[in-house]
Amino acid sequence: NAGVMQNPRHLVRRRGQEARLRCSPMKGHSHVYWYRQLPEEGLKFMVYLQKENIIDESGMPKERFSAEFPKEGPSILRIQQVVRGDSAAYFCASSPGTAGTDTQYFGPGTRLTVL
Amino acid sequence: AQSVTQLGSHVSVSEGALVLLRCNYSSSVPPYLFWYVQYPNQGLQLLLKYTTGATLVKGINGFEAEFKKSETSFHLTKPSAHMSDAAEYFCAVPYSGGYQKVTFGTGTKLQVIP
Repeated sequence: NAGVMQNPRHLVRRRGQEARLRCSPMKGHSHVYWYRQLPEEGLKFMVYLQKENIIDESGMPKERFSAEFPKEGPSILRIQQVVRGDSAAYFCASSPGTAGTDTQYFGPGTRLTVL
Repeated sequence: AQSVTQLGSHVSVSEGALVLLRCNYSSSVPPYLFWYVQYPNQGLQLLLKYTTGATLVKGINGFEAEFKKSETSFHLTKPSAHMSDAAEYFCAVPYSGGYQKVTFGTGTKLQVIP
């Protein structure tokens, strides 16, 4: 059973460009979470999605950031017009359900560098 | 909202020595608590989790943690450090609103000295 897949693992963008980060959850998992880890900081929650629905986006910046989890295909975190402050590691996690005992499985992350 | 505090952003121990990484949670009793480990340039891996029942929780790689309500603590320990334990460790607590949104501590980097 493959784990959570994220691609690309490393992404370099110039200021003003768009960044698209992809996450394929574990097989059978319909709950996806995105977190951001800034240098020397812990992970911060960004958004929680189920198939075709955004459930909680309270951690997502109001502008330039968007996320989706379509019926078919991976979840996408999109950052428009990137700025240097967007440089971070972005982690996706998935879980089979929402019970507290359900373990959240993390992908290897996408490290975004904005030049 | 639940939160966790990790004391000490960097901890160094000698190989074979006791590992103690500290985590305190906010005053309201959380339903669950987690410890995750992150190796360099990798994602997070669950070490252990406290749900209900026994307050001493055993995890992978010889780690364990004890839930102490009186001290609002969930410290992570390992009797004897190994070089491969060098990593960053995160204490975490789930969102109390009923789903798996997790709040992480700021992390503790463990260095193991040969």
